[in-house]
Amino acid sequence: DVQLVESGGGLVQPGGSLRLSCAASGFTFTNYAMSWVRQGPGKGLEWVSAVSGSGGSSYSADSVKGRFTISKDISTNTLYLQMNSLRAEDTAVYYCAKMGGWYEPIDYWGQGIPVTVSS
Amino acid sequence: EIVMTQSPATSSVSPGERVTLSCRASQSVNTKLAWYQQKPGQAPRLLIYDASTRATGIPARFSGSGSGTEFTLTITSLQSEDSAVYYCQQYNKWPPYTFGQGTKLEIK
Repeated sequence: DVQLVESGGGLVQPGGSLRLSCAASGFTFTNYAMSWVRQGPGKGLEWVSAVSGSGGSSYSADSVKGRFTISKDISTNTLYLQMNSLRAEDTAVYYCAKMGGWYEPIDYWGQGIPVTVSS
Repeated sequence: EIVMTQSPATSSVSPGERVTLSCRASQSVNTKLAWYQQKPGQAPRLLIYDASTRATGIPARFSGSGSGTEFTLTITSLQSEDSAVYYCQQYNKWPPYTFGQGTKLEIK
């Protein structure tokens, strides 16, 4: 069974940094693109970043470009999201998500990890 | 960026009835359209992909249709467990992948 388990969330001050991790299992990690999707308090879903199966290509939403970096460690089957220069509006539950491919939907989601940016 | 607009914002329907939720794209997404169900406190779950294909384990009560810019999700024989927020998402033109704002479905 596919399992995606996020960790690394918590409370951080504005301007601070945080790194989210997602441990993946139950599928061949290098064969599938992965994304981070977030959901602000009481809000809808917002795609944040995606990375290719190999980890060689990545894309991010304009709202986080230059501040967030998505990456994969294929030796440990772990997805990361390095978040720098955090703002209050980055406060959200962050979901790790498996995609079939670039032109395919998200077929599995992690349970989500909360990130709160506040002084 | 492709904007996805869902309607209605909220729908209240009785058990056993049928409901149709709508999703409109600001430009054509062909059939690269998915529907997700999210219950309170849970992660979203894939229901429909490629506009009309049910994901693994999704009951036949859920069906999707449409292409281009207009899409619908129909749920028949509504059950209390169908109470959730439903999101559409396009994956035809990216970045960014974009979601609709969601439709909250309440079962009376």
